[in-house]
Amino acid sequence: SAVISQKPSRDICQRGTSLTIQCQVDSQVTMMFWYRQQPGQSLTLIATANQGSEATYESGFVIDKFPISRPNLTFSTLTVSNMSPEDSSIYLCSVEDPSGNTEAFFGQGTRLTVV
Amino acid sequence: AQSVTQLDSQVPVFEEAPVELRCNYSSSVSVYLFWYVQYPNQGLQLLLKYLSGSTLVKGINGFEAEFNKSQTSFHLRKPSVHISDTAEYFCAVTPNQGGKLIFGQGTELSVKP
Repeated sequence: SAVISQKPSRDICQRGTSLTIQCQVDSQVTMMFWYRQQPGQSLTLIATANQGSEATYESGFVIDKFPISRPNLTFSTLTVSNMSPEDSSIYLCSVEDPSGNTEAFFGQGTRLTVV
Repeated sequence: AQSVTQLDSQVPVFEEAPVELRCNYSSSVSVYLFWYVQYPNQGLQLLLKYLSGSTLVKGINGFEAEFNKSQTSFHLRKPSVHISDTAEYFCAVTPNQGGKLIFGQGTELSVKP
């Protein structure tokens, strides 16, 4: 299993500013994933972050808007840049099971409100 | 590409009643199937998963799901629900063993006394 600590748990931000969300895992993992959950909707994958390489973004998401860092095997950050009210969502970090089981573990999420 | 459809956005039930949350998927390749639960203001927790073998899968909290390949379904069931089962339930698939998941829209289960 894996325990994920995500910070901050929530924030209220002014439009035009940026917020960096941190994700810390208690085990080394190859891949980390960032999801967005818009109000009342399901989870959508933003990007996959591998240590030592550029993140891979899904359709509709770009690096300039959601830059990601992955400095080591236990940590990643997602930045939401130049925020607008449409960015108000829950952002979740996820990792694959470091034991090799086919399972994903999730952080508690960051509830972002842009005003 | 894969997609997941959860047929019910909201399911209200009374306590101790049985419940079924429906999930259908579409994929041109074999997939692994999951059900996750999200309690209010919390992250996602795995309820159960189907990888291979027996099509009836038992999970935590008394939930079970049956994989039906011909109907491309993976419905979640519980014979008797509790108030504490009130939460959002997500069906998800992945074509590989990595953690990249495709989620359904979610079903809000509301258990009333």
